Amino acid sequence: GAGVSQTPSNKVTEKGKYVELRCDPISGHTALYWYRQSLGQGPEFLIYFQGTGAADDSGLPNDRFFAVRPEGSVSTLKIQRTERGDSAVYLCASSLMLGADTQYFGPGTRLTVL
Amino acid sequence: KNEVEQSPQNLTAQEGEFITINCSYSVGISALHWLQQHPGGGIVSLFMLSSGKKKHGRLIATINIQEKHSSLHITASHPRDSAVYICAVIPYQGAQKLVFGQGTRLTINP
Repeated sequence: GAGVSQTPSNKVTEKGKYVELRCDPISGHTALYWYRQSLGQGPEFLIYFQGTGAADDSGLPNDRFFAVRPEGSVSTLKIQRTERGDSAVYLCASSLMLGADTQYFGPGTRLTVL
Repeated sequence: KNEVEQSPQNLTAQEGEFITINCSYSVGISALHWLQQHPGGGIVSLFMLSSGKKKHGRLIATINIQEKHSSLHITASHPRDSAVYICAVIPYQGAQKLVFGQGTRLTINP
């Protein structure tokens, strides 16, 4: 079956603009995770969902970042008033269950803020 | 100090060599993952383990819970093994999220 997909694959925007990044998890996976990876670094946790609810959003860097998963499947990560420091690869992963379960990663969205 | 430390950060070897990448962590964990990331960003889960040893093809992962240490070994390395290998743990305390090491960049020369 299809893996985790993310759109767009690349996004270039100007400082101050609003962006939305989309993640389509594997069908049936209840847990969905967002991570951010800066150049040369390992990924960092942002937020994860169990079903429709955000179970832990402690990794969101500030209130410009917000994520939703209204129907428990597709998730959107929203960034307001983008800053150059937001430039990174945003990774989405899903797993069948929450916790110690294999996470399947999407290809990521490379965000560049000019 | 990061909760998850990997060594080495960079490793270059010749085709056929036996490769070892190390991961040490400082928190109690419920599981540890080894991930592979090829240029372009795609991440693939290689192993998830909470004790002992797992083997898949030429890859072997071991974990010592008491010493808070894990190793990833590659036997008969090949240029296609060139990638970044990332260790990530799921801490016991509270969250179910992965905490990542900084990655080890492996280059296998023909």
